[in-house]
Amino acid sequence: GENVEQHPSTLSVQEGDSAVIKCTYSDSASNYFPWYKQELGKRPQLIIDIRSNVGEKKDQRIAVTLNKTAKHFSLHITETQPEDSAVYFCAASQTGTASKLTFGTGTRLQVTL
Amino acid sequence: SAVISQKPSRDICQRGTSLTIQCQVDSQVTMMFWYRQQPGQSLTLIATANQGSEATYESGFVIDKFPISRPNLTFSTLTVSNMSPEDSSIYLCSGAYRDFTEAFFGQGTRLTVV
Repeated sequence: GENVEQHPSTLSVQEGDSAVIKCTYSDSASNYFPWYKQELGKRPQLIIDIRSNVGEKKDQRIAVTLNKTAKHFSLHITETQPEDSAVYFCAASQTGTASKLTFGTGTRLQVTL
Repeated sequence: SAVISQKPSRDICQRGTSLTIQCQVDSQVTMMFWYRQQPGQSLTLIATANQGSEATYESGFVIDKFPISRPNLTFSTLTVSNMSPEDSSIYLCSGAYRDFTEAFFGQGTRLTVV
């Protein structure tokens, strides 16, 4: 089955700096890659996603890049703010949808003032 | 978007007993899923809940331990059977529409087995 590795496990940045979280996946058949943000004690929420036919996608301060050849994808957050502090999970699916998602191990992002 | 409600939000149970978690969605989602998230850990898919038929379980999860029902498009239950302390975890319900990729999550049920 699919295996998703995520790095780093923790990340601390100063407010205004950029943050990058990287994930690698094992199954070349994976074609859908969402990123979820989970604040402490709350439910995961989708922040951005990308399909395998796209190399990059942006939404305001958030961007995701995908390298199918290397089987890795990354989340980029620019101009970080304290409210960006949370745990971020990457995931992969072979179905092109939210079904059968395999999640990474998570990255705890701390944005300091 | 879909609003997903779970209950109970938390429970403390004796080993050997069973707990049924309920998941209610405010609209007719096509797909419903159950995940387990151990404290501070990632989410692991337990099964896909299928309307009117047996759930589809992922490797490592079996129906006898985690029976799931989905009588209609907006409601599902997950039972954690014959519980042991190793079952202590957060159980999350999730729903998605067929033509969209976003999975919506419930707030989770924090289960502690003593």
